[in-house]
Amino acid sequence: DTGVSQDPRHKITKRGQNVTFRCDPISEHNRLYWYRQTLGQGPEFLTYFQNEAQLEKSRLLSDRFSAERPKGSFSTLEIQRTEQGDSAMYLCASSLAQGGANYGYTFGSGTRLTVV
Amino acid sequence: AQSVTQPDIHITVSEGASLELRCNYSYGATPYLFWYVQSPGQGLQLLLKYFSGDTLVQGIKGFEAEFKRSQSSFNLRKPSVHWSDAAEYFCAVGPSGYSTLTFGKGTMLLVSP
Repeated sequence: DTGVSQDPRHKITKRGQNVTFRCDPISEHNRLYWYRQTLGQGPEFLTYFQNEAQLEKSRLLSDRFSAERPKGSFSTLEIQRTEQGDSAMYLCASSLAQGGANYGYTFGSGTRLTVV
Repeated sequence: AQSVTQPDIHITVSEGASLELRCNYSYGATPYLFWYVQSPGQGLQLLLKYFSGDTLVQGIKGFEAEFKRSQSSFNLRKPSVHWSDAAEYFCAVGPSGYSTLTFGKGTMLLVSP
């Protein structure tokens, strides 16, 4: 298992364009999380899935943001009509849903979005 | 609501010296606590975690942390810092090990020769 993979690593887009990011979690992990990290801040929760069900969304996730995990494996995060304030590192993480001492997340390397 | 405070934005430590990074949390129940490290442009790597049991927990790379319920603290320590430890460190708290986490703003560790 190669851990959590995110693609692309970097994305530069013009304001108003749509972007989509992909996350492939650790295969046996049924929970998948999206966080956003701006400069000088810690990661902030956006949303998470258990299998294909989106169980929680943060108020940070405006109507321009949508996330999917259609088959309970990989996930996509789409931002429509990007704004400069969307510039951030978008982090994906995965975990088991419960049980045992192996709790906690594994993070991917993130997708750095720059909106110009 | 849960929150995490990391009072030090930057810390500079000489190589070979000891290190302590502070973390204070606010949480209504028994928290799950984590320390993560992030190198520039990278994701976060889990250093150690705590939920119950021995209040002194050992992690990877020679790090340890002590949970002090009375002080709502979970400080990270290392007896001898290496230049490769230079990175940003984040403390996080959550209601379980499998749900949303609240992170502090991080402490940037600089290691001087």
